[in-house]
Amino acid sequence: EIVLTQSPGTLSLSPGERATLSCRASQSVSSSYLGWYQQKPGQAPRLLIYGASSRATGIPDRFSGSGSGTDFTLTISRLEPEDFAVYYCQQYGSSPFTFGPGTKVDIK
Amino acid sequence: EVQLLESGGGLVQPGGSLRLSCAASAFTFSNYGMSWVRQAPGKGLEWVSTISGSGSSTYYADSVKGRFTISRDNSKNTLYLQMNSLRAEDTAIYYCAKVSSGWFNYFDYWGQGTLVTVSS
Repeated sequence: EIVLTQSPGTLSLSPGERATLSCRASQSVSSSYLGWYQQKPGQAPRLLIYGASSRATGIPDRFSGSGSGTDFTLTISRLEPEDFAVYYCQQYGSSPFTFGPGTKVDIK
Repeated sequence: EVQLLESGGGLVQPGGSLRLSCAASAFTFSNYGMSWVRQAPGKGLEWVSTISGSGSSTYYADSVKGRFTISRDNSKNTLYLQMNSLRAEDTAIYYCAKVSSGWFNYFDYWGQGTLVTVSS
């Protein structure tokens, strides 16, 4: 099983600042089968990034993903008020399709 | 627009059973794998199970293997999760999610979830 570790657990930032979220895998994620999801309180998760760096339909370009192998990053270039949420990475290259524990981005 | 609507959640005693349903619309259901993902109260996401578009292939997390069964009725555009021998640790919101293509792939659409509470 591929274990995903996300850091930091919580990121306290102000609107307009840059957010950098890390996702590390216990073994290489095949073909960069790594996705990022955003979840707001009381809502279902929403796909942001797939294939480590491709933005999903309708996702603003302030969201970007990078990385390969075992190290992946989600960057939000300038935080908007609606971006304060929990972010999860997920690998879907091998079963079980594991999620990371999440990074909460909250308002400083 | 793709819609996924879960139903069937509720309160059940430990050892009991429950069947969840997920009604899908606005896409060719049989062409896509489908999955269940759960979230315990205040916790993160946990993948539960995935089924291929035809229903011929299924995958389970170790935590539910042998107790849960995923299935689908492509004539009704509906996904199911039969949950038996329920435990307190199965208490969670259960989301159904559409697999983007094939069945080893990311989840591009999610339902709003249905709450399952296992308690005496």
